[in-house]
Amino acid sequence: GNSVTQMEGPVTLSEEAFLTINCTYTATGYPSLFWYVQYPGEGLQLLLKATKADDKGSNKGFEATYRKETTSFHLEKGSVQVSDSAVYFCASSGNTGKLIFGQGTTLQVKP
Amino acid sequence: GAGVSQSPRYKVAKRGQDVALRCDPISGHVSLFWYQQALGQGPEFLTYFQNEAQLDKSGLPSDRFFAERPEGSVSTLKIQRTQQEDSAVYLCASSSQVMRRDEQFFGPGTRLTVL
Repeated sequence: GNSVTQMEGPVTLSEEAFLTINCTYTATGYPSLFWYVQYPGEGLQLLLKATKADDKGSNKGFEATYRKETTSFHLEKGSVQVSDSAVYFCASSGNTGKLIFGQGTTLQVKP
Repeated sequence: GAGVSQSPRYKVAKRGQDVALRCDPISGHVSLFWYQQALGQGPEFLTYFQNEAQLDKSGLPSDRFFAERPEGSVSTLKIQRTQQEDSAVYLCASSSQVMRRDEQFFGPGTRLTVL
């Protein structure tokens, strides 16, 4: 069945450091791919998405490119801020549109 | 406009009790999903409704779990004879269309603790 694997956390970075959170997926067909973020005390929010191979999703300085050849959707940001501290979830769309999530990666950014 | 709301936000139940969790999706959203999120894990799919029709219940962990959406808007997830392993955050999400590419909007969740 479909699955999503993302790098384990926590990831601890200093402010203005470069961020990469790895995500790989297995799927039949061509799923859409998503990054969701959960800030402390808040609900899940969509950060960015890509619907087909080679698409790049971007939002708030974050980017991820849908790589069919490596079945990956790694999240990157050039310069993180303290306010980016949160839990990040990679997800793919399954049958009927249900989302299959990775286990989440906690990011801590220190000033 | 209002987002997805869920109630109660917190529920403590004694083992063996029945619980009912409510989800109010965004008005007009056709699709509604329930997920279960254990501590430190990603959400896991439970069930999916398109309007009032329950099209996928493959993620429900046992026959103690039951969900309904009788008028195609509000949905209720019911757990009978709760067990400690049912302790989790239950998330509801809705989306405006049935296509897989649409964003799902999540509610704040109901944190269920079974003692």
